Amino acid sequence: AQSVTQPDIHITVSEGASLELRCNYSYGATPYLFWYVQSPGQGLQLLLKYFSGDTLVQGIKGFEAEFKRSQSSFNLRKPSVHWSDAAEYFCAVVRSGTYKYIFGTGTRLKVLA
Amino acid sequence: DAGVIQSPRHEVTEMGQEVTLRCKPISGHNSLFWYRQTMMRGLELLIYFNNNVPIDDSGMPEDRFSAKMPNASFSTLKIQPSEPRDSAVYFCASTLKVVKYSTDTQYFGPGTRLTVL
Repeated sequence: AQSVTQPDIHITVSEGASLELRCNYSYGATPYLFWYVQSPGQGLQLLLKYFSGDTLVQGIKGFEAEFKRSQSSFNLRKPSVHWSDAAEYFCAVVRSGTYKYIFGTGTRLKVLA
Repeated sequence: DAGVIQSPRHEVTEMGQEVTLRCKPISGHNSLFWYRQTMMRGLELLIYFNNNVPIDDSGMPEDRFSAKMPNASFSTLKIQPSEPRDSAVYFCASTLKVVKYSTDTQYFGPGTRLTVL
């Protein structure tokens, strides 16, 4: 069965510091992978997605993620965090040709001024 | 584009009452999803519609929950009777499924925060 693990429940970084949020998935073939962000009181907004091709994916708000098949990972990165990035981040996996997203438990990011 | 619209944004009700949550998907989208988000269980898919037809309702927790999609621009999720353990944030999402077996990006609404006292 597919699963998604986000090992870090909470992460705190200083504004301007780099950020990496971890996501590991369990799936036999190449999955479709997504990162969503949820600001307080808001719905989920798509940051980026990976379907195929270049393993380094660029998203909105300066985020990027790298798909590493050998590590079954799809980590989200940002070189310099802004205070407005404070939110909860969800990784999701879905088997190609299906509709059922499997979400991770989320990582809550706190940004220190 | 107005995005996915959900109403109400907040709902407080008493145990035993009927609750109806509403969703308007993005115009032109032909697939709609209802999710529930809780601290304990995270995001769970409740039901999936394609072209207004329920395809998968295996995530609907109990018979107290029902969902309808009478047309392409409106869906409801009803809980009757409501219980305190139904307290959660309920999200609606939609997608444009161009090819039947394609996997498409889901666009989420802002959610309805339900509190059952």
